[in-house]
This record gives sequence, C-alpha cells and structure tokens, in this order.
Amino acid sequence: DIQMTQSPSSLSASVGDRVTITCRASQSIGSYLNWYQQKLGEAPKLLIYAASSLQRVVPPRFSGSGSGTDFTLTISSLQPEDFATYYCQQSSRTPPSFGQGTKLEIK
Amino acid sequence: QVQLMQSGAEVRRPGASVKVSCKASGYTFTDYYIHWVRQAPGQGLEWMGWINPNSGGTKYAQKFQGRVTMTRDTSISTAYMELNRLTSDDTALYYCARDLPPVVGDSNWYDPWGQGTQVTVSS
Repeated sequence: DIQMTQSPSSLSASVGDRVTITCRASQSIGSYLNWYQQKLGEAPKLLIYAASSLQRVVPPRFSGSGSGTDFTLTISSLQPEDFATYYCQQSSRTPPSFGQGTKLEIK
Repeated sequence: QVQLMQSGAEVRRPGASVKVSCKASGYTFTDYYIHWVRQAPGQGLEWMGWINPNSGGTKYAQKFQGRVTMTRDTSISTAYMELNRLTSDDTALYYCARDLPPVVGDSNWYDPWGQGTQVTVSS
C-alpha cells in the first residue's frame, strides 16, 4: 500500500500568513493527489484535485503543486475560516490512502 | 444541488451488524460511484470500498473483506454499507462520498461527502 506522510502534523499561524503543507508519497503517484479541508464536526471538503486543479467555489488563495512523490498545499493569505485540518489523498493505486492530517491552528 | 444525506447515529453491541444508508440527490445516481470512508475518534481517514450504482459492482479494502457489504437501490437513489461482526475498533464516523468512475487505481476524488454517520460499538 502507498503511505502518505504529511508535514507538519500541526501548525500555528496568524491571519494573513502564507502557509505551506507538504505531503509525501511512499512511491510515485504521478499527479493523482487530492487535498481536503475538514472543519471540526464537518465532513471533509474537496479543495484541490489532480495535484493542482482548484475545485469550483474554492477561493484562489488555495493552490496545489507537485508530482511524483512530493506535493504541497499553499494558502497564500490565511483567513479566519481556513483554520481546520487538511488531508492529502492519493488515487493512483489501490487502496486509496490519506495522509494523517495537518491541523492548522490560530496563533 | 448535489447532496448525499446519510442515516442517523447507531449504537451496537460487539458482534452485531450495522447498516448505514446514503441517499443521493441533485444528480443522476447511476453516473457516479459511491465510496465509503471512515474516521475513528481523533484519527485520520480510512477507505473502505466502493459501489458502482449502475452495475451494483463493488470493491472492498482488503481489511474489510468478508465483513462489509455495499449495496444500492436505484429506485430511491440510495447506497448502503453494512458492516458485520462489530468490535469496539469499529467505533467511528462513517462517510459516503461521490466519485467519478475510476480511471486508474480505485478512485479519482471525492466530492461531495455525506454528513457522516456515527457508529458506536459498546457493550
């Protein structure tokens, strides 16, 4: 199975900060990488698919990049509603697998 | 709008079974796969499998083989996930999620997700 490792596991930041979250796959997955945001008590929400495509209605301050084994999710200017947990997910091989999550907290 | 609405919370004894439903609306039910993903308390996300509502075909994660059954009723645009021989380790929030038919692997991306169904296994 492909292991997905996110870093950091948690992150404190302030409104307006630029934030980057990293996701590394245990083997090459091409661009088959998605990012989700999960707020407390809510279901995950798709942000980025195929490594860099922004889902409809997701604000353009979110962006994704990478291919192969190393990927990043960047939030260019943090807003209060962005404080949540973020998960990456690979869809290259069976079984689909998720990173352990990165909890983004207010500093 | 596209929506997945799941059934309510369940409490079961160890060894029992649970069946969770996921009703789709706002799109053609048979055009998209339904996946099931669970999240144990304070933990990450774990893929359980998918069902193709058009054919009824299924694929399950190896971990759940022999213990999970995914079905659907196209007349009411509803998918079901039944998990048997429950243990306390099955206490989790269970989500359904929509996906396009897979091109590689077993998934593309999940959008939207249902609101989740809490399953608690306790004696």
